[in-house]
Amino acid sequence: KAGVTQTPRYLIKTRGQQVTLSCSPISGHRSVSWYQQTPGQGLQFLFEYFSETQRNKGNFPGRFSGRQFSNSRSEMNVSTLELGDSALYLCASSSALRGGLNTQYFGPGTRLTVL
Amino acid sequence: EDQVTQSPEALRLQEGESSSLNCSYTVSGLRGLFWYRQDPGKGPEFLFTLYSAGEEKEKERLKATLTKKESFLHITAPKPEDSATYLCAVHSQGGATNKLIFGTGTLLAVQP
Repeated sequence: KAGVTQTPRYLIKTRGQQVTLSCSPISGHRSVSWYQQTPGQGLQFLFEYFSETQRNKGNFPGRFSGRQFSNSRSEMNVSTLELGDSALYLCASSSALRGGLNTQYFGPGTRLTVL
Repeated sequence: EDQVTQSPEALRLQEGESSSLNCSYTVSGLRGLFWYRQDPGKGPEFLFTLYSAGEEKEKERLKATLTKKESFLHITAPKPEDSATYLCAVHSQGGATNKLIFGTGTLLAVQP
């Protein structure tokens, strides 16, 4: 089975721009979660989507948004980029059923650099 | 507030020198504790899931254990290829969600 794929792998943007990151989960997985990883804060939960609905959201400003398509692929968008948004953005998929606990499998991440 | 603390932050071992990494947690009802390994520039790789106190799981040179307050990742006779950052994460009760709370990791370096 193919793993979680994320595109692009690397991005360089300037302050004020917006960016869209894409994630394709493992085939059959319906839950997609997004995390931000920085050296200072570690991995922090952004949001989770299940069956095209946002199921949970972390403590991030409204500039961070996401969506999920009917094929379970997900995108996250960051508008009005700030220097502090530079990070590794990780996508994780799981086969979680509603209320279930399932292992999350991570993609390789997208390295975003904001200049 | 749910919290995960890992120690030590960094650990340097000689090849063959066994040791343990610690993950202590404070959560409002633990549903599962996860261990991941992360190599530089890559996403975390799943290692283990532990669900209840007393549970143990093994994989090659790694063994994970769980108590009501903490988990240990024991590394027996490590090799240089075990060098990586080891992350601990918890899934707490709180509705139908997959939110994981991560510790900041232990950076392990195994020297030949």
